[in-house]
Amino acid sequence: TAGITQAPTSQILAAGRSMTLRCTQDMRHNAMYWYRQDLGLGLRLIHYSNTAGTTGKGEVPDGYSVSRANTDDFPLTLASAVPSQTSVYFCASSDWTSGNTGELFFGEGSRLTVL
Amino acid sequence: GQNIDQPTEMTATEGAIVQINCTYQTSGFNGLFWYQQHAGEAPTFLSYNVLDGLEEKGRFSSFLSRSKGYSYLLLKELQMKDSASYLCAGMDSNYQLIWGAGTKLIIKP
Repeated sequence: TAGITQAPTSQILAAGRSMTLRCTQDMRHNAMYWYRQDLGLGLRLIHYSNTAGTTGKGEVPDGYSVSRANTDDFPLTLASAVPSQTSVYFCASSDWTSGNTGELFFGEGSRLTVL
Repeated sequence: GQNIDQPTEMTATEGAIVQINCTYQTSGFNGLFWYQQHAGEAPTFLSYNVLDGLEEKGRFSSFLSRSKGYSYLLLKELQMKDSASYLCAGMDSNYQLIWGAGTKLIIKP
């Protein structure tokens, strides 16, 4: 089982350029999330989606947008990248159906460097 | 505000026992999670506690005290492969996770 697939795994981007990080899951989980992880800080939620067709803002949404057109895909777009968006980005999903704890399943991460 | 505190780094010896502590403050409470993250990899789920007490899973156990806002992860019979960061996360009343910065565990032979 693939679980969650993220692409690209690594990218160097010039400031001001746009970029979309792709995330696809094959577990039919209803909820999906985008986090960024920076040294010395906990995972910070950027955006989330509780179900297909809905999205919400997390702790650090500025400069990022998401869409959830279907259950499986949850792309994250940086419209105009800035150096402070240099980070490792993790996509995750969870199954909130009855009896589940809502544990997160993570993709392998996308390392983004903005110069 | 919401906050998760855990030590930045701990060192332990192969074969020994180590306890990683976590204190939390969340708006409402819907459980406490522990995840393991090896360097350069994604976090993976270890445990979930929502009621007070100890949950045991093989070499790993997790404890929760809701009245004290406190949890710990206990790792027994340490192996070199246990060298990783351990992330504590509290779930608030909106079912959002509040993450600690992680505890880097170094295992020495």
